[in-house]
Amino acid sequence: LAKTTQPISMDSYEGQEVNITCSHNNIATNDYITWYQQFPSQGPRFIIQGYKTKVTNEVASLFIPADRKSSTLSLPRVSLSDTAVYYCLARTWGYGGSQGNLIFGKGTKLSVKP
Amino acid sequence: NAGVTQTPKFQVLKTGQSMTLQCAQDMNHEYMSWYRQDPGMGLRLIHYSVGAGITDQGEVPNGYNVSRSTTEDFPLRLLSAAPSQTSVYFCASSRGEGLNEQYFGPGTRLTVT
Repeated sequence: LAKTTQPISMDSYEGQEVNITCSHNNIATNDYITWYQQFPSQGPRFIIQGYKTKVTNEVASLFIPADRKSSTLSLPRVSLSDTAVYYCLARTWGYGGSQGNLIFGKGTKLSVKP
Repeated sequence: NAGVTQTPKFQVLKTGQSMTLQCAQDMNHEYMSWYRQDPGMGLRLIHYSVGAGITDQGEVPNGYNVSRSTTEDFPLRLLSAAPSQTSVYFCASSRGEGLNEQYFGPGTRLTVT
């Protein structure tokens, strides 16, 4: 069964680049990897999604190597408002109904200091 | 657009009681899902639906029932609440399927005593 593993926490300073890596084994070859951000007392919010190589949007980049056993979320020049928990999401097949099962990582708590 | 709405925001139940958590979305999304979030466990998928009349189990479905009679609504029923169901519950919706961008509701904090 697929499993997603992330570091529990990370610290950074304002203006630095932050990279958060998620390991995900046994994911389907044609499924996306998706990342979410969550602030306290709120639902998660979509950040970025990718299938392979590199994807960039206005807030983040996502790097996925050719073997797709991991993905790295890159946040350029973080600010205090980026302090949040970040989750990766992948899908496993073999149980969970007709669409498999979506597996969130346990989350990485990013603390950005001034 | 209101997006995804959930009611109630907070609920306290006694063991054995039943209740329904409400979820509605106004984005005409086909896919809707329920997650529970426990400290240190991330979000775990309970049930999902790919359209009206179609539901399926996720990772932790035991103790929960769902139905999808309309595109907009996806209620989650606890038939006989247990302390192990104390958690924060999130409903989400997306276009197409669950790996697409999901829009989450604000959550329901449930305590079972």
